[in-house]
Amino acid sequence: NAGVMQNPRHLVRRRGQEARLRCSPMKGHSHVYWYRQLPEEGLKFMVYLQKENIIDESGMPKERFSAEFPKEGPSILRIQQVVRGDSAAYFCASSPDPGRFEQYFGPGTRLTVT
Amino acid sequence: DAKTTQPPSMDCAEGRAANLPCNHSTISGNEYVYWYRQIHSQGPQYIIHGLKNNETNEMASLIITEDRKSSTLILPHATLRDTAVYYCIVRVSQGAQKLVFGQGTRLTINP
Repeated sequence: NAGVMQNPRHLVRRRGQEARLRCSPMKGHSHVYWYRQLPEEGLKFMVYLQKENIIDESGMPKERFSAEFPKEGPSILRIQQVVRGDSAAYFCASSPDPGRFEQYFGPGTRLTVT
Repeated sequence: DAKTTQPPSMDCAEGRAANLPCNHSTISGNEYVYWYRQIHSQGPQYIIHGLKNNETNEMASLIITEDRKSSTLILPHATLRDTAVYYCIVRVSQGAQKLVFGQGTRLTINP
């Protein structure tokens, strides 16, 4: 069973461009979480999605950030008009249907804004 | 979710047991204790969780005090590959919910 997959692993964008980060959860997992880790800081929750629904977006910045998890295909974290402060590692995690406790994390996407 | 307190760093000799403490004095009766670790630059890795009984799996053991105000993660025979930041997280179990990571303990295993 393949683990959580994220791509790209490294992404470089100039200020003002858009960044699209993709996450494919583990097979059979319908819950996806996005976390951000700024340089030298801890992991911060951003958003929790189930298929076609955003359940908790309490950690998402109010502007420029959006997330989706369509019925088919990977979950997408989209950052519009990136700024240098968006440079960070973005991790996706997935979990199976409720009743299980652990979240499985992907390897992360390292976004660098120049 | 209850707040947790962990020492910022610890050292342990290779081959020895690494004992990582966590205080969660405000834990509620329906909150579980989870442990994750993050090896440098990688995604966090689930280790173990428990409610009130001690737990053991292939990676570690979790000892929770009777009053549930603190717990200890034990890596019985630490190896260099166990060098990582270890996070103790407390949260309710119902449904799938976000994880709130603190600063964790940076464990260094020395040869």
